[in-house]
Amino acid sequence: EAGVAQSPRYKIIEKRQSVAFWCNPISGHATLYWYQQILGQGPKLLIQFQNNGVVDDSQLPKDRFSAERLKGVDSTLKIQPAKLEDSAVYLCASSSPGTRGEQFFGPGTRLTVL
Amino acid sequence: GDSVTQMEGPVTLSEEAFLTINCTYTATGYPSLFWYVQYPGEGLQLLLKATKADDKGSNKGFEATYRKETTSFHLEKGSVQVSDSAVYFCALSDRQGAQKLVFGQGTRLTINP
Repeated sequence: EAGVAQSPRYKIIEKRQSVAFWCNPISGHATLYWYQQILGQGPKLLIQFQNNGVVDDSQLPKDRFSAERLKGVDSTLKIQPAKLEDSAVYLCASSSPGTRGEQFFGPGTRLTVL
Repeated sequence: GDSVTQMEGPVTLSEEAFLTINCTYTATGYPSLFWYVQYPGEGLQLLLKATKADDKGSNKGFEATYRKETTSFHLEKGSVQVSDSAVYFCALSDRQGAQKLVFGQGTRLTINP
C-alpha cells in the first residue's frame, strides 16, 4: 500500500513570495490533515478535511493561508504572501473512519523563508 | 483547550539502559492517547496507542499505560538500542469530536553505543 505522498520535499523562497504544497493521501482515506511543525515543536493542525469539506480550520491563518481538496482526494496548501515565521515543515496526514485518531503521515515539505 | 506536556529533552542514554519519557495531558473528554516517533530523515509514524483508561499500548519493546487518575501516558522501554535514537511525540485525539491530534513538543532521544 502506497503511503502519503507530498511534494516538493524542500522549498526556499523569499518573504512576500507565494508557495504551494501538494499532498496525495493513502487511497480510500476520507480524512486529510495539514500540520505545521516549527523547529523544536510538535506539529500543529492547520486544517482538516473530511472528503472535500472542511471540518476544522480554526488555526489556519486565513489572511495568507488557503487549502483545498478537490474531488475529495489530493490537496493543495498555499501561502501567499509568505512571512519569515512561516519557515517550518508542513506535514500532510490521512486517516480512515474508525481508526480512533490513528493518522498516517507523509514525509513533509521543509519550507525556508528568507 | 486540550494539551499535552512532555518531558524536556534532549535525553541521552547508553545502550541497554532503561528509558522513561514522561507525558501528561489535559483534556475535557476521554481522549485516545498516542506515541509517534520520527526517525532521522523520515516522517512521523505511529509507535503505539491506547484508547481507554488502563489500556497498555506496546510495540517494538516500548510500552505506555493510559492512567486516567494521573492524566499520564509515560513511554518506557527496558533496554534501548542505538536504533531507537529518534524524536518521540506524545499526542491525544478527542474520540468524540473531529479526532485531530494534539501533540506535545517532542523529546529527542540519543542512544550511545
